[in-house]
Amino acid sequence: GAGVSQSPSNKVTEKGKDVELRCDPISGHTALYWYRQSLGQGLEFLIYFQGNSAPDKSGLPSDRFSAERTGGSVSTLTIQRTQQEDSAVYLCASSLDGGRNTEAFFGQGTRLTVV
Amino acid sequence: AQSVTQLDSQVPVFEEAPVELRCNYSSSVSVYLFWYVQYPNQGLQLLLKYLSGSTLVESINGFEAEFNKSQTSFHLRKPSVHISDTAEYFCAVREGGAQKLVFGQGTRLTINP
Repeated sequence: GAGVSQSPSNKVTEKGKDVELRCDPISGHTALYWYRQSLGQGLEFLIYFQGNSAPDKSGLPSDRFSAERTGGSVSTLTIQRTQQEDSAVYLCASSLDGGRNTEAFFGQGTRLTVV
Repeated sequence: AQSVTQLDSQVPVFEEAPVELRCNYSSSVSVYLFWYVQYPNQGLQLLLKYLSGSTLVESINGFEAEFNKSQTSFHLRKPSVHISDTAEYFCAVREGGAQKLVFGQGTRLTINP
């Protein structure tokens, strides 16, 4: 596709359930990022994938959060046993590579609401 | 560790007035600086970036930002704003050698007619 695609665009889930959020990066982009955007909190870095290197997981807030990137393309962010404080917009971005000057292109995000 | 501070969470201005959105960062090494914009109901998109060279960088829609190393700042300015500039603006920094972008909390710019 022409841009970064995320699905679903909206997700409402009950507290305690697991959720999976999907990101399709721009074709050919080797770097992929996940961020969380909460009201008044800015963008919080979660995890970064670059090619076949081990991902930078330093931003994951707890062990309930995990992410995979299969075949260097599609990525899935999984949140287990969701809590109300997990409610936020989850943003995915990709860039051509992990270079310092390469632009990151963002998807529209998945709005997660935990009730 | 690097961090980014956007001092104003909201900035209301009148149309055609000048505006400055402030951004300060903390880092002890060389940095690369970015401003992203998020228009209502849209995704984030790059507005401008500083990598090296001239400390003043410009965007195609009239915004400019100046890298000030001594003050560790990268404030965003526009001499005359339009209604269409209404958006949330995020400052971001990437340290030399690091790969993750660290964002500030964002500044919501509201333009009043």
